[in-house]
Amino acid sequence: LAKTTQPISMDSYEGQEVNITCSHNNIATNDYITWYQQFPSQGPRFIIQGYKTKVTNEVASLFIPADRKSSTLSLPRVSLSDTAVYYCLVGPMFSGGYNKLIFGAGTRLAVHP
Amino acid sequence: DVKVTQSSRYLVKRTGEKVFLECVQDMDHENMFWYRQDPGLGLRLIYFSYDVKMKEKGDIPEGYSVSREKKERFSLILESASTNQTSMYLCASRGRGETEAFFGQGTRLTVV
Repeated sequence: LAKTTQPISMDSYEGQEVNITCSHNNIATNDYITWYQQFPSQGPRFIIQGYKTKVTNEVASLFIPADRKSSTLSLPRVSLSDTAVYYCLVGPMFSGGYNKLIFGAGTRLAVHP
Repeated sequence: DVKVTQSSRYLVKRTGEKVFLECVQDMDHENMFWYRQDPGLGLRLIYFSYDVKMKEKGDIPEGYSVSREKKERFSLILESASTNQTSMYLCASRGRGETEAFFGQGTRLTVV
């Protein structure tokens, strides 16, 4: 499974756009990139997943360059409630019985008034 | 809505006790996972199961075992609890080939 590297922490202010980059230099051909969000005292929840180029949903956008060695989670106009830890995961979606979910240390985002 | 339910939110056990953490999911998911979460270390995978009676070790299986006798239930067992197993334990499930994994609320275990 590809190793991921993210910044340990980031700070932002309400209303700003936040971009969190994840490096995954040894990503495999059949790997997908998935982001989860975790609030204090809760389990992580899925935000977005992509394979290449750009994916957008009601919560975030995910930008993946052509070489797929990194990805950027973009949160538009953050609010205080976006303060959380964000995890980048890389792995195959369809892998038979071996369907691990491996999390790294994540990025702690603090949004200030 | 998918629901992943962990049997206890908070648990205090003594060193040497055998501890059972239970997790139940209601969406017929094949894959279930147990993680522990410690400050600054993110989530670390202890064990996962991809079908009934099937299990695989994660990154930190030492001191733990698991049981999956029924598809909806995945149990984490601490054979002889130690203070270094004080942690937040999180269970998750995901359907085979599906995008999203669903997590329980976590069990905060304190071993004294």
